[in-house]
Amino acid sequence: DQQVKQNSPSLSVQEGRISILNCDYTNSMFDYFLWYKKYPAEGPTFLISISSIKDKNEDGRFTVFLNKSAKHLSLHIVPSQPGDSAVYFCAARVIQGAQKLVFGQGTRLTINP
Amino acid sequence: EAGVAQSPRYKIIEKRQSVAFWCNPISGHATLYWYQQILGQGPKLLIQFQNNGVVDDSQLPKDRFSAERLKGVDSTLKIQPAKLEDSAVYLCASSLTPDYGYTFGSGTRLTVV
Repeated sequence: DQQVKQNSPSLSVQEGRISILNCDYTNSMFDYFLWYKKYPAEGPTFLISISSIKDKNEDGRFTVFLNKSAKHLSLHIVPSQPGDSAVYFCAARVIQGAQKLVFGQGTRLTINP
Repeated sequence: EAGVAQSPRYKIIEKRQSVAFWCNPISGHATLYWYQQILGQGPKLLIQFQNNGVVDDSQLPKDRFSAERLKGVDSTLKIQPAKLEDSAVYLCASSLTPDYGYTFGSGTRLTVV
């Protein structure tokens, strides 16, 4: 079974501090991992991705880390801003077949002023 | 470029009724996806089209759900008859190819009462 899990349904962080969102996966048949951000009443928007052959990818305030041995990835946001308050989904792309994305359950991030 | 358009934005129906959702992908995007997002869960792929052919419909409840993509452009997703557990946001996404990033529409929120 291809599973992606986000075990923290919510996270609250002070503005200016670092936000760390975590994601675990149970299947090795993924070649890319992605983070999507979702505001209420909008569709998810792509944030950042990482290839399974890398262990870090950085884009401005956002950095994704991949630990293949632990089957774990994390998204770091620093410094956190009020506009970062949203639901964050971790997703993994299946290598074989239709290359679909499998999503985690999401983590609601709240940035407090 | 224009985004992925979906309609309606909201729909409330009684159980056992039928409902249809419409999606217009980004121009030139060959791959189209329908995802179901139940409250508190991540999006789950229902069906993937490549042009007007079905690539993956393994998680589509075919006894009640159907989808088509005429002429490889617009797509409709139908539920007949609806059940209470079909209450969810139905997201359409498109991409140039399965290798490329997805762009999601804003979704249709379905409530079955």
